[in-house]
Amino acid sequence: AQSVTQLDSHVSVSEGTPVLLRCNYSSSYSPSLFWYVQHPNKGLQLLLKYTSAATLVKGINGFEAEFKKSETSFHLTKPSAHMSDAAEYFCVVSASGTYKYIFGTGTRLKVLA
Amino acid sequence: GAVVSQHPSRVICKSGTSVKIECRSLDFQATTMFWYRQFPKQSLMLMATSNEGSKATYEQGVEKDKFLINHASLTLSTLTVTSAHPEDSSFYICSARVVQGDSPLHFGNGTRLTVT
Repeated sequence: AQSVTQLDSHVSVSEGTPVLLRCNYSSSYSPSLFWYVQHPNKGLQLLLKYTSAATLVKGINGFEAEFKKSETSFHLTKPSAHMSDAAEYFCVVSASGTYKYIFGTGTRLKVLA
Repeated sequence: GAVVSQHPSRVICKSGTSVKIECRSLDFQATTMFWYRQFPKQSLMLMATSNEGSKATYEQGVEKDKFLINHASLTLSTLTVTSAHPEDSSFYICSARVVQGDSPLHFGNGTRLTVT
């Protein structure tokens, strides 16, 4: 069975400072991992995905995430936050080769001017 | 890139009526689409998997007679909320994936349903 835990429900950072959104996963199989972003009353946009290739994954808008099997983590980072990054972020796991996505509870990112 | 279009974006209906939500894959074929429900400030919960040309697979606890899913073509799935009640008010989001390769799911922009 797969599960994902987002360790922080809310994160606040100042504009221009680094962003760290934490995610831990549990999977019986080789997992695929994703980060999606959701702006208010909108659908989800894929930021990046890990599917057993390089462990450091670069995504859109300057985001990246590192898959650490030993720590069962897939934390999302960005060197410098922008006001437009304020949104809800979801970490997602699926068993490799399946499309049944299990969503984390989300982290709301607030960017302060 | 792959685009999933969902319509309507917002709908208000009276209790007891039915509402249909459409999910279209605009530039790719999708044999499988997924319907999610999201309560305010909560995560997405998978409701059902919609399979083109066959019956949908519902998650435990989801009433199949209440949430009718039809996937009549490779580019269109519909979710009909029948005899809607205020507790059905929610944000419904569909998703689909490109058939080939290891493509991730692409999501529609969601439908805000309000039942009065």
